[in-house]
Order: sequence, then structure tokens, then C-alpha cells
Amino acid sequence: AQSVAQPEDQVNVAEGNPLTVKCTYSVSGNPYLFWYVQYPNRGLQFLLKYITGDNLVKGSYGFEAEFNKSQTSFHLKKPSALVSDSALYFCAVRFYGNNRLAFGKGNQVVVIP
Amino acid sequence: DAGITQSPRYKITETGRQVTLMCHQTWSHSYMFWYRQDLGHGLRLIYYSAAADITDKGEVPDGYVVSRSKTENFPLTLESATRSQTSVYFCASSSIAEVNSYEQYFGPGTRLTVT
Repeated sequence: AQSVAQPEDQVNVAEGNPLTVKCTYSVSGNPYLFWYVQYPNRGLQFLLKYITGDNLVKGSYGFEAEFNKSQTSFHLKKPSALVSDSALYFCAVRFYGNNRLAFGKGNQVVVIP
Repeated sequence: DAGITQSPRYKITETGRQVTLMCHQTWSHSYMFWYRQDLGHGLRLIYYSAAADITDKGEVPDGYVVSRSKTENFPLTLESATRSQTSVYFCASSSIAEVNSYEQYFGPGTRLTVT
């Protein structure tokens, strides 16, 4: 069955420092992987996805993610965090054969000024 | 360019009452989804629909009913609300066109409180 794990509940980082949010996955077949962000009292917004091709995927707001097949990971990264990046981040993987996604529990990112 | 909308945005109801949450999308996406978001559980899928008149259960379907008579609408009904259904509910949609590659687009959410 498709699933993702986000091992850390909260990630604290100082403004200007690199930000990493971890995600590991389990799938049948080729993985289609996604990252979403949720700001307070808002719906989820799509950040980026990996379908095929380059292992480093670039997305919105300066975020990127690295697909690592051997480690079954898809970590989200940003070289220099902003206070405005403080939000809840979700990793997701597509179910084989349809458009359903399995979401992780989410990571709260707190960027400290 | 309304995208995907949900109504109401906030709802308070009593235990045992029937409640319907509305979801409307303007993209003609084939797929639509209902999730609930609770602390410690992340997003859990309630029901989804691959097309009009086609619906299927997700992880937590008990106590909920859905219908999809038109592509653009996907209402979620709580037949007899319980306190455990207090949550934030999100609707989402996605296209089957390959260019969109399965990403889902989310509505703003409905915060439901059952007293």
C-alpha cells in the first residue's frame, strides 16, 4: 500500500539557515511524489512534484526536493529560510492506478527571526 | 476564476442533526475528494469520486454520505452528526489529463463544530 512518513512533528530553524523537511515513502510501482504547504486557516497549496526525470525538483517559493530512490526519500529543502516559510508541510504519494494521494501527518516548520 | 469553493466556511451544529457541506469546482476536473484534518492525524480521506455518479470510500467513511450528480459539485453529508466529527473539512479536485500529473487543488476548508 502507498504511504509516506514524516518523522519529525516540528522543525525549528533560524531565519537565513537551510531548511530541510524529511519524507520517506512506500509505494507499489513508480512513485509520484508531492509536497504541499498549509498556512494558518487556509487550504493546502501545491509546492512541487516528482513524476520522473531529474532527481532534484524545483518548485514554488524557492523550495526544492530531492528524490532518492535507494533511500525511498523525498526531502523538501530551501537554502535560506524566511519567517514567512513558517507553516505546515505535507508530503504525499499517489496511489497506483488513480488520482488518490496518501498524505503524511505533516511537519510544522517554525522559522525563528 | 473561482477555482474550488466550499460552503459554509464555518458551521456549528448539534449532535444528531444532519449537515451538508458543499464543494464546487470550476475546472471540470474529473476527480474530487473530501478530507478531514485533525491534530495528530494529518489529512484523512473520507470519500472520493473519479467522475459524476462514481464514488468510493476512503480511510474514514463511516457516518458520511456523498453524491456526485454533476461533475462540478461534490456535497458531503453527515447524516447524524457526532462530536467526533468536529473537524476541518477540505475538498479537493484533480484532473486526469497527463499534463497535470495528478496534483490536487484544495478548497479553503469548512470548520465544523458539533456540540
